[in-house]
Amino acid sequence: AQTVTQSQPEMSVQEAETVTLSCTYDTSESDYYLFWYKQPPSRQMILVIRQEAYKQQNATENRFSVNFQKAAKSFSLKISDSQLGDAAMYFCAINTNAGKSTFGDGTTLTVKP
Amino acid sequence: GAVVSQHPSRVICKSGTSVKIECRSLDFQATTMFWYRQFPKQSLMLMATSNEGSKATYEQGVEKDKFLINHASLTLSTLTVTSAHPEDSSFYICSAPRGGFYNEQFFGPGTRLTVL
Repeated sequence: AQTVTQSQPEMSVQEAETVTLSCTYDTSESDYYLFWYKQPPSRQMILVIRQEAYKQQNATENRFSVNFQKAAKSFSLKISDSQLGDAAMYFCAINTNAGKSTFGDGTTLTVKP
Repeated sequence: GAVVSQHPSRVICKSGTSVKIECRSLDFQATTMFWYRQFPKQSLMLMATSNEGSKATYEQGVEKDKFLINHASLTLSTLTVTSAHPEDSSFYICSAPRGGFYNEQFFGPGTRLTVL
C-alpha cells in the first residue's frame, strides 16, 4: 500500500514570491510516478507536474518545479513568481502499477496581492 | 490535454430516489475509470475502480449495492447512487488515466449531489 503525507494544511505566499509545498510518501514499489495536482475553487482537478521515479533530474514546468529526493521519499513543489491564479488546493499523488492514485490530504495555498 | 466530462454537474434529489452520474472520456478510450468522493476542503476518497467489460472493484467500506457502477463502453462509466439519503450528499469526481496506469489522471469536473 502507498501513503502520501502533506504536512502543511495551509500555506500563504505574497504575490511574485516563491513558496514550497511539502510532500512525503511511502511505497514498497520500485516503479512509480509522482504528481502534483491543483484544484482551484472551480474544483476541476488539473495536473501541475509529473516526476518519474527512475529519473534523477527534477521535473520543471515553467514556474513550477519539484525537489525529488528518492532516498528520503520526499517530493516537494516549488512555485516561483506566485500569481493570484495559483491560489488553490494542491494535492500530491503517487501512481504505481496497480493503477490507482493515492492522494495526500492537500495543501490550501493562498496568494496575497 | 485529454478531456473527461461528467454529467450532471449538479443534482438535487429527494431522499429515497436514485441518481445516475455519467463520466465520459471524450478523446481517448479508458478501460479503467475511477470514482471518488470529496468532502469540502478534504482529499479525494477513492470509492471504486470501474473496469470496462467487468465488475467494478470497490474500496473497503464502500457499499456495492448503494453505489452501482457500470462501465458500459470504453468511453463511458456511470455511478448510480441508489436510494439516496442526505448523508450521500457530496462532491463526486471521476477520473481516467490515459495511456497506462503510470500516467496522470484526467479528471471530470465533478458532480455536486444534494439529497434533501
